[in-house]
Amino acid sequence: SQKIEQNSEALNIQEGKTATLTCNYTNYSPAYLQWYRQDPGRGPVFLLLIRENEKEKRKERLKVTFDTTLKQSLFHITASQPADSATYLCAPILGTGGFKTIFGAGTRLFVKA
Amino acid sequence: GAGVSQSPRYKVAKRGQDVALRCDPISGHVSLFWYQQALGQGPEFLTYFQNEAQLDKSGLPSDRFFAERPEGSVSTLKIQRTQQEDSAVYLCASSLERGHGYTFGSGTRLTVV
Repeated sequence: SQKIEQNSEALNIQEGKTATLTCNYTNYSPAYLQWYRQDPGRGPVFLLLIRENEKEKRKERLKVTFDTTLKQSLFHITASQPADSATYLCAPILGTGGFKTIFGAGTRLFVKA
Repeated sequence: GAGVSQSPRYKVAKRGQDVALRCDPISGHVSLFWYQQALGQGPEFLTYFQNEAQLDKSGLPSDRFFAERPEGSVSTLKIQRTQQEDSAVYLCASSLERGHGYTFGSGTRLTVV
């Protein structure tokens, strides 16, 4: 069955450092992969989408890579700030079957001042 | 509206009671999704609409769950004869088209007592 794995352990980093979050997927051939941020008590907020034919995508301090051979996406936040503290969700979109998107359990990021 | 609106924000239901959860997507968004999120977990796919057509309902956990979007805009998720295991946050999201990120509402927290 399809499976998404994200770091289950919380990630603690110092302000100003780069945070790197990992998303691995199995039994999937996603056409797109999305990353979301979720704060407690709120719905997920869309950050970035990368297509299967793109290796890397950037938006301000965010960078996403997508390796379809390794079946892995990496999400980087450079110059991290305490306000970046949240849960980050990986969400591949299946290449077939329309729009169905399955989310990972998320990685909790804590950025210390 | 400017975002996805869900109501009610909180719902307490007695076991066996029927509930109806409402979602107002962003105007013009063709795609609408319902997700269920348990504490500490990522959102779990329930169902997907493209306009008024329900194209995927594979995630609905039982025949007690029913969703509709009769005019291609507002959607309602109905749960009949609620059980304690139905307690969760129910998230609605909408999207303009394939290849775009989803906009989520803040969710409805359902507690079945």
